[in-house]
Amino acid sequence: QKEVEQNSGPLSVPEGAIASLNCTYSDRGSQSFFWYRQYSGKSPELIMSIYSNGDKEDGRFTAQLNKASQYVSLLIRDSQPSDSATYLCAVKGTGTASKLTFGTGTRLQVTL
Amino acid sequence: DGGITQSPKYLFRKEGQNVTLSCEQNLNHDAMYWYRQDPGQGLRLIYYSQIVNDFQKGDIAEGYSVSREKKESFPLTVTSAQKNPTAFYLCASSIISARVGNQPQHFGDGTRLSIL
Repeated sequence: QKEVEQNSGPLSVPEGAIASLNCTYSDRGSQSFFWYRQYSGKSPELIMSIYSNGDKEDGRFTAQLNKASQYVSLLIRDSQPSDSATYLCAVKGTGTASKLTFGTGTRLQVTL
Repeated sequence: DGGITQSPKYLFRKEGQNVTLSCEQNLNHDAMYWYRQDPGQGLRLIYYSQIVNDFQKGDIAEGYSVSREKKESFPLTVTSAQKNPTAFYLCASSIISARVGNQPQHFGDGTRLSIL
């Protein structure tokens, strides 16, 4: 079983719609969760972090965490073509010092 | 500006040759990491270091070596023992804190390594 799982996509949404990206993790004691955006050929860029159950909003982005169900999601409202990228979920597990475990990423395509 | 600098941006390796990728940070971060990313794949951890003069193997350390002589620097050597080195190499750094919520990793721009 993979430690952090994401659907590889591509997830295709029309411009202006809500994109919903999901991630599940296996380490029940995990406490820190991050979403990174990676454009093709570029390095990952941190866009959201979440540590407590519930929702965290930052502009058009909302991260949602449900520790009981071991999933974390990212919602992108009013999707723009510039949001087209691969979104990586990263989790800090228990007993792993400062290491993060990354999912393989979901490719998002926002169509005109 | 504070940040993480990786060099070179592109690197070519001949058969049997060792090459070293540079990573420097001026963020005063304690921890530094090296990842490898293959096309269409996620990030795989090669080595990480949480303190000067100490480092730990990640998931795919074979064929690689590192050093951490200064807090700011964490160079990665790709040795000739690494038979498939073509990949995108990413260096990252982070604060280490016992407090939850203070440990995101930030990345450099990466180095693309190819075999000649």
